[in-house]
Amino acid sequence: KQEVTQIPAALSVPEGENLVLNCSFTDSAIYNLQWFRQDPGKGLTSLLLIQSSQREQTSGRLNASLDKSSGRSTLYIAASQPGDSATYLCAVRTGANNLFFGTGTRLTVIP
Amino acid sequence: DAGVIQSPRHEVTEMGQEVTLRCKPISGHNSLFWYRQTMMRGLELLIYFNNNVPIDDSGMPEDRFSAKMPNASFSTLKIQPSEPRDSAVYFCASSSDQGQPQHFGDGTRLSIL
Repeated sequence: KQEVTQIPAALSVPEGENLVLNCSFTDSAIYNLQWFRQDPGKGLTSLLLIQSSQREQTSGRLNASLDKSSGRSTLYIAASQPGDSATYLCAVRTGANNLFFGTGTRLTVIP
Repeated sequence: DAGVIQSPRHEVTEMGQEVTLRCKPISGHNSLFWYRQTMMRGLELLIYFNNNVPIDDSGMPEDRFSAKMPNASFSTLKIQPSEPRDSAVYFCASSSDQGQPQHFGDGTRLSIL
Protein backbone atom coordinates (compact mmCIF):
# COMPACT_ATOMS: atom_id res chain seq x y z
CA LYS A 1 0.00 0.00 0.00
CA GLN A 2 1.21 3.48 -0.85
CA GLU A 3 2.53 5.43 2.15
CA VAL A 4 2.87 9.20 1.90
CA THR A 5 4.93 11.14 4.42
CA GLN A 6 5.26 14.87 4.87
CA ILE A 7 8.03 16.56 6.78
CA PRO A 8 7.99 18.72 8.78
CA ALA A 9 4.60 18.34 10.45
CA ALA A 10 4.62 22.04 11.36
CA LEU A 11 6.66 25.01 10.24
CA SER A 12 6.78 28.66 11.32
CA VAL A 13 8.59 31.25 9.23
CA PRO A 14 8.77 35.04 9.17
CA GLU A 15 6.98 36.85 6.39
CA GLY A 16 9.00 37.20 3.20
CA GLU A 17 11.01 34.02 3.65
CA ASN A 18 11.22 31.37 0.96
CA LEU A 19 10.36 27.86 2.14
CA VAL A 20 10.20 24.26 1.03
CA LEU A 21 7.73 21.60 2.05
CA ASN A 22 8.61 17.97 1.53
CA CYS A 23 6.59 14.96 0.51
CA SER A 24 7.80 11.39 0.05
CA PHE A 25 6.00 8.29 -1.15
CA THR A 26 6.91 4.62 -1.07
CA ASP A 27 5.63 3.34 -4.40
CA SER A 28 6.98 5.18 -7.43
CA ALA A 29 4.29 3.76 -9.72
CA ILE A 30 2.11 6.84 -9.61
CA TYR A 31 -0.04 8.60 -12.19
CA ASN A 32 0.31 12.06 -10.73
CA LEU A 33 0.92 14.01 -7.55
CA GLN A 34 -1.23 16.84 -6.30
CA TRP A 35 -0.55 19.55 -3.71
CA PHE A 36 -3.49 20.92 -1.75
CA ARG A 37 -4.03 23.67 0.75
CA GLN A 38 -6.49 23.30 3.61
CA ASP A 39 -7.67 26.20 5.72
CA PRO A 40 -9.22 25.54 9.16
CA GLY A 41 -12.80 24.31 8.86
CA LYS A 42 -12.58 24.24 5.10
CA GLY A 43 -12.13 21.70 2.36
CA LEU A 44 -9.06 21.23 0.25
CA THR A 45 -8.03 23.62 -2.48
CA SER A 46 -5.97 22.18 -5.29
CA LEU A 47 -2.75 24.13 -5.83
CA LEU A 48 -0.72 22.17 -8.35
CA LEU A 49 -0.92 18.84 -10.11
CA ILE A 50 2.16 17.18 -11.60
CA GLN A 51 1.71 14.31 -14.01
CA SER A 52 4.11 11.40 -13.63
CA SER A 53 5.91 12.40 -16.84
CA GLN A 54 6.55 15.94 -15.61
CA ARG A 55 9.32 17.25 -13.39
CA GLU A 56 7.72 20.42 -12.09
CA GLN A 57 4.76 22.77 -12.19
CA THR A 58 4.59 26.45 -11.35
CA SER A 59 1.75 28.72 -10.35
CA GLY A 60 2.59 32.22 -9.19
CA ARG A 61 4.81 32.02 -6.12
CA LEU A 62 4.42 28.24 -5.95
CA ASN A 63 6.64 25.68 -7.60
CA ALA A 64 6.22 21.94 -7.18
CA SER A 65 8.79 19.40 -8.26
CA LEU A 66 8.55 15.66 -8.70
CA ASP A 67 11.28 13.04 -8.64
CA LYS A 68 9.32 9.88 -9.20
CA SER A 69 12.27 7.52 -9.10
CA SER A 70 13.26 8.62 -5.61
CA GLY A 71 9.66 9.00 -4.43
CA ARG A 72 9.91 12.69 -3.57
CA SER A 73 8.16 15.94 -4.23
CA THR A 74 8.74 19.42 -2.93
CA LEU A 75 6.54 22.48 -2.78
CA TYR A 76 8.49 25.72 -2.90
CA ILE A 77 6.79 28.89 -1.73
CA ALA A 78 8.55 32.13 -2.58
CA ALA A 79 8.26 35.32 -0.57
CA SER A 80 5.85 33.86 1.96
CA GLN A 81 2.89 35.92 3.19
CA PRO A 82 0.65 35.60 6.25
CA GLY A 83 -2.15 34.55 3.92
CA ASP A 84 -0.13 31.46 3.06
CA SER A 85 -0.74 30.13 6.57
CA ALA A 86 -2.61 26.86 6.19
CA THR A 87 -2.06 23.11 6.16
CA TYR A 88 -0.47 21.82 2.98
CA LEU A 89 -1.21 18.28 1.87
CA CYS A 90 0.32 16.23 -0.88
CA ALA A 91 -1.50 13.33 -2.47
CA VAL A 92 -0.36 10.74 -4.98
CA ARG A 93 -2.66 9.07 -7.41
CA THR A 94 -2.09 5.43 -8.15
CA GLY A 95 -4.10 3.28 -10.50
CA ALA A 96 -7.84 3.11 -10.11
CA ASN A 97 -8.11 6.81 -9.41
CA ASN A 98 -7.20 6.47 -5.74
CA LEU A 99 -5.53 9.37 -3.97
CA PHE A 100 -3.23 8.64 -1.02
CA PHE A 101 -2.76 11.65 1.20
CA GLY A 102 0.07 12.67 3.47
CA THR A 103 -0.73 13.94 6.95
CA GLY A 104 0.16 17.49 6.00
CA THR A 105 2.47 20.30 7.02
CA ARG A 106 0.92 23.08 9.07
CA LEU A 107 2.51 26.33 7.94
CA THR A 108 2.41 29.57 9.93
CA VAL A 109 3.80 32.72 8.36
CA ILE A 110 4.49 35.33 11.00
CA PRO A 111 3.89 38.98 10.02
CA ASP B 1 -19.27 28.51 -11.13
CA ALA B 2 -20.44 26.68 -8.01
CA GLY B 3 -18.02 24.26 -6.47
CA VAL B 4 -18.80 20.97 -4.78
CA ILE B 5 -21.67 21.50 -2.37
CA GLN B 6 -22.06 19.41 0.75
CA SER B 7 -24.82 19.36 3.32
CA PRO B 8 -25.20 19.60 6.19
CA ARG B 9 -22.05 21.48 7.26
CA HIS B 10 -22.37 20.18 10.79
CA GLU B 11 -24.24 17.22 12.21
CA VAL B 12 -24.52 16.21 15.85
CA THR B 13 -26.51 13.13 16.70
CA GLU B 14 -26.71 10.33 19.20
CA MET B 15 -25.20 6.96 18.58
CA GLY B 16 -27.49 4.49 16.93
CA GLN B 17 -29.16 7.11 14.77
CA GLU B 18 -29.04 7.10 10.99
CA VAL B 19 -26.93 9.81 9.40
CA THR B 20 -27.16 10.91 5.78
CA LEU B 21 -24.57 13.18 4.19
CA ARG B 22 -25.22 14.79 0.85
CA CYS B 23 -23.07 15.98 -2.01
CA LYS B 24 -23.64 17.84 -5.24
CA PRO B 25 -20.60 17.59 -7.53
CA ILE B 26 -19.48 20.23 -9.98
CA SER B 27 -21.67 20.14 -13.06
CA GLY B 28 -20.04 18.12 -15.83
CA HIS B 29 -17.72 16.19 -13.55
CA ASN B 30 -18.07 12.45 -13.97
CA SER B 31 -16.05 11.23 -10.99
CA LEU B 32 -17.14 11.64 -7.37
CA PHE B 33 -15.23 10.74 -4.24
CA TRP B 34 -16.10 10.43 -0.55
CA TYR B 35 -13.30 10.93 1.99
CA ARG B 36 -13.09 10.89 5.76
CA GLN B 37 -10.61 13.02 7.71
CA THR B 38 -9.59 12.36 11.31
CA MET B 39 -6.67 13.49 13.41
CA MET B 40 -5.44 9.95 13.83
CA ARG B 41 -5.69 8.69 10.25
CA GLY B 42 -5.68 11.85 8.12
CA LEU B 43 -7.63 11.76 4.87
CA GLU B 44 -8.86 8.39 3.67
CA LEU B 45 -10.79 7.53 0.55
CA LEU B 46 -14.03 5.73 1.37
CA ILE B 47 -15.54 5.19 -2.07
CA TYR B 48 -15.52 6.69 -5.51
CA PHE B 49 -17.94 6.70 -8.43
CA ASN B 50 -17.32 7.09 -12.12
CA ASN B 51 -20.33 7.97 -14.28
CA ASN B 52 -22.58 7.24 -11.27
CA VAL B 53 -21.23 3.70 -10.86
CA PRO B 54 -19.30 2.73 -7.71
CA ILE B 55 -15.80 1.74 -8.82
CA ASP B 56 -13.94 1.16 -5.57
CA ASP B 57 -15.58 0.89 -2.16
CA SER B 58 -12.69 -0.87 -0.45
CA GLY B 59 -12.26 2.08 1.89
CA MET B 60 -15.76 1.82 3.34
CA PRO B 61 -15.15 0.83 6.97
CA GLU B 62 -17.95 -1.67 7.41
CA ASP B 63 -21.47 -2.55 6.45
CA ARG B 64 -22.87 0.33 8.46
CA PHE B 65 -21.63 2.63 5.70
CA SER B 66 -23.32 2.86 2.32
CA ALA B 67 -23.12 5.31 -0.56
CA LYS B 68 -25.31 5.95 -3.55
CA MET B 69 -25.21 8.11 -6.64
CA PRO B 70 -28.66 8.01 -8.23
CA ASN B 71 -27.75 10.60 -10.85
CA ALA B 72 -24.84 12.73 -12.05
CA SER B 73 -25.67 15.62 -9.75
CA PHE B 74 -26.25 13.98 -6.40
CA SER B 75 -24.69 11.49 -4.02
CA THR B 76 -25.34 10.37 -0.46
CA LEU B 77 -23.23 8.71 2.20
CA LYS B 78 -25.27 6.98 4.86
CA ILE B 79 -24.23 5.59 8.22
CA GLN B 80 -26.68 3.31 10.00
CA PRO B 81 -26.40 2.81 12.91
CA SER B 82 -23.90 5.53 13.76
CA GLU B 83 -21.21 5.09 16.44
CA PRO B 84 -18.99 7.61 18.29
CA ARG B 85 -15.93 6.40 16.35
CA ASP B 86 -17.58 7.63 13.15
CA SER B 87 -17.04 11.20 14.32
CA ALA B 88 -14.92 12.93 11.68
CA VAL B 89 -15.06 15.41 8.83
CA TYR B 90 -16.46 13.84 5.69
CA PHE B 91 -15.46 15.37 2.37
CA CYS B 92 -16.91 14.94 -1.07
CA ALA B 93 -14.81 15.72 -4.14
CA SER B 94 -15.35 15.58 -7.88
CA SER B 95 -13.18 15.64 -10.98
CA SER B 96 -13.84 16.01 -14.68
CA ASP B 97 -11.91 12.91 -15.62
CA GLN B 98 -9.53 10.39 -14.24
CA GLY B 99 -6.20 12.03 -13.60
CA GLN B 100 -7.65 15.53 -13.42
CA PRO B 101 -7.52 17.59 -10.22
CA GLN B 102 -10.09 16.75 -7.62
CA HIS B 103 -12.17 19.62 -6.29
CA PHE B 104 -13.34 19.36 -2.70
CA GLY B 105 -16.41 20.55 -0.88
CA ASP B 106 -16.16 22.24 2.52
CA GLY B 107 -17.00 18.99 4.29
CA THR B 108 -19.52 17.83 6.87
CA ARG B 109 -18.30 17.81 10.46
CA LEU B 110 -20.00 14.84 12.07
CA SER B 111 -20.17 14.29 15.82
CA ILE B 112 -21.72 11.15 17.21
CA LEU B 113 -22.44 11.38 20.93
